[in-house]
Amino acid sequence: RKEVEQDPGPFNVPEGATVAFNCTYSNSASQSFFWYRQDCRKEPKLLMSVYSSGNEDGRFTAQLNRASQYISLLIRDSKLSDSATYLCGGDQAGTALIFGKGTTLSVSS
Amino acid sequence: DAGVTQSPTHLIKTRGQHVTLRCSPISGHKSVSWYQQVLGQGPQFIFQYYEKEERGRGNFPDRFSARQFPNYSSELNVNALLLGDSALYLCASSHGEGSGNTIYFGEGSWLTVV
Repeated sequence: RKEVEQDPGPFNVPEGATVAFNCTYSNSASQSFFWYRQDCRKEPKLLMSVYSSGNEDGRFTAQLNRASQYISLLIRDSKLSDSATYLCGGDQAGTALIFGKGTTLSVSS
Repeated sequence: DAGVTQSPTHLIKTRGQHVTLRCSPISGHKSVSWYQQVLGQGPQFIFQYYEKEERGRGNFPDRFSARQFPNYSSELNVNALLLGDSALYLCASSHGEGSGNTIYFGEGSWLTVV
């Protein structure tokens, strides 16, 4: 089992839709989790950090379930500009972040 | 304030050659880590340095090495390049080490090995 696994994509949704991504992790010692957004041929940019049960920032909500070892990202009222790849990452032994392969979202008008 | 800066942005090398990639962290950040991202995959951890000491190493061959300088900048060196080393190499910095420290990525160095 890979350390961090994400929903396979792509997710194709219309503008205004609500979409949710899941990410599972295998290292129960991981303490911190992050969602990054990566546009095509660009660097990942931090979207949200998740340390406790969850975090909300505008249209974006991240939740952490330690018992089931998964993190979710909910995007409400999707915009065309939300089209990107979303990377889930968890810390390993307090040093590096281990990332999943990413989930691609395409929002259409 | 400047973000994480990397150089060069793009480079083409021949198999067997050596490459050096450079990174300057965000001002005040003492930790630098390196990641390799091949097309269609997430970033894979290569090295982390904090206060000029190696703090972590990913599952990469000894052809990969790195170091951090007194000003906290860093270099990633790859020897005996293989075609499979073609990737986006990302440098990231954080204020400290350990969980809870958010990492910020530079724009990356695109390496093509032919």
